[in-house]
Amino acid sequence: AQSVTQLDSQVPVFEEAPVELRCNYSSSVSVYLFWYVQYPNQGLQLLLKYLSGSTLVKGINGFEAEFNKSQTSFHLRKPSVHISDTAEYFCAVDLVSGYALNFGKGTSLLVTP
Amino acid sequence: DAGVTQSPTHLIKTRGQHVTLRCSPISGHKSVSWYQQVLGQGPQFIFQYYEKEERGRGNFPDRFSARQFPNYSSELNVNALLLGDSALYLCASSLGPGGPGYTFGSGTRLTVV
Repeated sequence: AQSVTQLDSQVPVFEEAPVELRCNYSSSVSVYLFWYVQYPNQGLQLLLKYLSGSTLVKGINGFEAEFNKSQTSFHLRKPSVHISDTAEYFCAVDLVSGYALNFGKGTSLLVTP
Repeated sequence: DAGVTQSPTHLIKTRGQHVTLRCSPISGHKSVSWYQQVLGQGPQFIFQYYEKEERGRGNFPDRFSARQFPNYSSELNVNALLLGDSALYLCASSLGPGGPGYTFGSGTRLTVV
């Protein structure tokens, strides 16, 4: 079975600074990879996804992620964060032949002035 | 276009009661999945339905059941509620059973007292 580990439970960062949220996965078969964002009292919004092809994936709100198969990682990055990026971020994996997302425990990003 | 809609948004139930949660997928999406998100955790997969058939089930007790209707909307039923069932219940829809990528609704916040 596949699993997802988000290496940081909380990441504090100053506004306009760069940020990286780390995600590692384990799977013996091909997977799809996702990053979702959840604002307080809301559902999940898809930031970006890796299905195949280029390992650098660009998403909404200036976020991007790089799929590294050898390190089984899918880290999320943004070069300059805003206060409005404060939220919970979830990395998720789905088997190519699967039907269910397997989520990490989430990383809380707190952006301060 | 309407996104994934869930109802109700909030509800409070007493231990031992039964609850029904409802979900309408995005128009054209034939697959609906249900997830449970306990406070401070990532979502956990409960069920997926595609073309009215159960495609997958997560590690949840038989008190949890679901069904999908001809218009692809879905209901999640939970019997004999426990305090531990208090959570945000998320519905996600996709074109097919394997996604890839799922669009989530805003969820139903269930509180069991």
